[in-house]
Amino acid sequence: EPEVTQTPSHQVTQMGQEVILRCVPISNHLYFYWYRQILGQKVEFLVSFYNNEISEKSEIFDDQFSVERPDGSNFTLKIRSTKLEDSAMYFCASSAGGFGYYEQYFGPGTRLTVT
Amino acid sequence: AQSVTQLGSHVSVSEGALVLLRCNYSSSVPPYLFWYVQYPNQGLQLLLKYTTGATLVKGINGFEAEFKKSETSFHLTKPSAHMSDAAEYFCASSGGSNYKLTFGKGTLLTVNP
Repeated sequence: EPEVTQTPSHQVTQMGQEVILRCVPISNHLYFYWYRQILGQKVEFLVSFYNNEISEKSEIFDDQFSVERPDGSNFTLKIRSTKLEDSAMYFCASSAGGFGYYEQYFGPGTRLTVT
Repeated sequence: AQSVTQLGSHVSVSEGALVLLRCNYSSSVPPYLFWYVQYPNQGLQLLLKYTTGATLVKGINGFEAEFKKSETSFHLTKPSAHMSDAAEYFCASSGGSNYKLTFGKGTLLTVNP
């Protein structure tokens, strides 16, 4: 069964450093998403991406965040200058369509620890 | 705006007992509702979803949920818990053309032998 994969599974970085979280969505999907979950809190939407551009972003997704689909398979989330409060589990997801009833398929997550 | 509330961050049941995980939603548009399960070190896996039509929705692994508009609820049930059901369960909603998922805080289900 096709699945979304994410690398690395765990990343430790120092405050102020740049990190890139990588995702490989399901191959025939067209919509891509990033969510995050700070420990003990809800899973929160960060950004959605379609047709090589951001279609929606939350207020969390400020100028320090960016997303890119550098080739036909990868989807990345970059955090330019990490802060302690960026420590969280980051989930990538993809879906075949963009309407609300389409299932989003999630990856296993990358745990980001900022020290 | 949408919001999802899951009552009980931790539910513990005995093997063979009824599982009931509660979810209430708030939405300004007719919602699409989802239950996801997360096993340790794995991603979120869809259990079931409600879009339109029949309000009782059956999902994988014997789970089902009923959409009750009057109660703004979408509770997840399973008649008989199995040890393999131990996991974290997330209720989520989206609405119309807005595909952004809004999640509840999750409920950790423990199944005791």
